[in-house]
Amino acid sequence: GENVEQHPSTLSVQEGDSAVIKCTYSDSASNYFPWYKQELGKGPQLIIDIRSNVGEKKDQRIAVTLNKTAKHFSLHITETQPEDSAVYFCAASKINQKVTFGIGTKLQVIP
Amino acid sequence: EAQVTQNPRYLITVTGKKLTVTCSQNMNHEYMSWYRQDPGLGLRQIYYSMNVEVTDKGDVPEGYKVSRKEKRNFPLILESPSPNQTSLYFCASLRADTQYFGPGTRLTVL
Repeated sequence: GENVEQHPSTLSVQEGDSAVIKCTYSDSASNYFPWYKQELGKGPQLIIDIRSNVGEKKDQRIAVTLNKTAKHFSLHITETQPEDSAVYFCAASKINQKVTFGIGTKLQVIP
Repeated sequence: EAQVTQNPRYLITVTGKKLTVTCSQNMNHEYMSWYRQDPGLGLRQIYYSMNVEVTDKGDVPEGYKVSRKEKRNFPLILESPSPNQTSLYFCASLRADTQYFGPGTRLTVL
């Protein structure tokens, strides 16, 4: 089955700096890679995703890159703000099939 | 408002006392799933359901049961809870690859 590794497990950045979270996956057939943000006391919420036919996708201050050859993908948050503080999960799946999550990264943005 | 609801949000119980955590979605999604979240282990799938009366095991199904008698509801049943089932539980429904998570149920089994 699929195995997703995520690092770092914790990340502290100064407000305004960039944050990068990296994930690797094992199943070369996986073709869908979402990122979820979980705020304290809430369920995870999708923030951005990428499919295997795309190398990069941006949405305002967040971007995701995918390297299918190396089987890794990354989340980039620029100009971080205190409200970006949360736990972020990467995941991998084949379309409409079981989703495997990474262990999560706790991001702290220091004002 | 499109949402997934879970009840209860918090539950403290004792070993062996049967309990049910309810999950309901109002988006008419066919696919629903249960996860447990534990520190250092991320989100692990317990059971999922592709449609009414269709359920299957996820990665950690031992000690849990589910049922899917109608599309909107997907209850999680612990017939004889044990302390190792103390965890944060999330229900989710899926459409077009996007999972919509409920707010979570924090369960403590003493």
